[in-house]
Amino acid sequence: NAGVTQTPKFQVLKTGQSMTLQCAQDMNHEYMSWYRQDPGMGLRLIHYSVGAGITDQGEVPNGYNVSRSTTEDFPLRLLSAAPSQTSVYFCASSYSPPETGYEQYFGPGTRLTVT
Amino acid sequence: SQQGEEDPQALSIQEGENATMNCSYKTSINNLQWYRQNSGRGLVHLILIRSNEREKHSGRLRVTLDTSKKSSSLLITASRAADTASYFCAPAYQTGANNLFFGTGTRLTVIP
Repeated sequence: NAGVTQTPKFQVLKTGQSMTLQCAQDMNHEYMSWYRQDPGMGLRLIHYSVGAGITDQGEVPNGYNVSRSTTEDFPLRLLSAAPSQTSVYFCASSYSPPETGYEQYFGPGTRLTVT
Repeated sequence: SQQGEEDPQALSIQEGENATMNCSYKTSINNLQWYRQNSGRGLVHLILIRSNEREKHSGRLRVTLDTSKKSSSLLITASRAADTASYFCAPAYQTGANNLFFGTGTRLTVIP
């Protein structure tokens, strides 16, 4: 199993550009989520999905869009990049939502810089 | 914020010593999870403790949970240089929020 994979590893964008961060998992997990990690802020949830076709907002959803057309993939779209979106982005998956008692598996992260 | 709060923010110990990290959280939980993050890497799950459990062990890790104080602690015994990492607690609240609320972490440095 590859686990959770993320591409790209690094990305530099100019303000106003759009892009999609890719996330895929091969563990047949229903629950997937996107976090951003900023210095001194911990991980903050952007969006999550409890299954194909179902997505919901997390703590910091503004400026991001997600969709879940398959169980395996959960892409994160930046609509119009801003410097405040400079961060490290992590995708995670688990068998079911964390309050049900399942651990989350994290991808290696995408380091995004917006200039 | 409903994020877990780890204490201390940073901890430096000698190899072979024990390391204790604490976590406080806000409201009733279903479970609380601990994760480790090596520099520049993704998080790795260490241990999960459910709200009806008081203590759990996994290898050199021992986690305790006190729901009356809304706190948890992670003890790493006989630390090794390879334990150098950031450690995060993440409560899963009963609110049905469908997510974990990570704190800012404890940065542990184990000196060989």
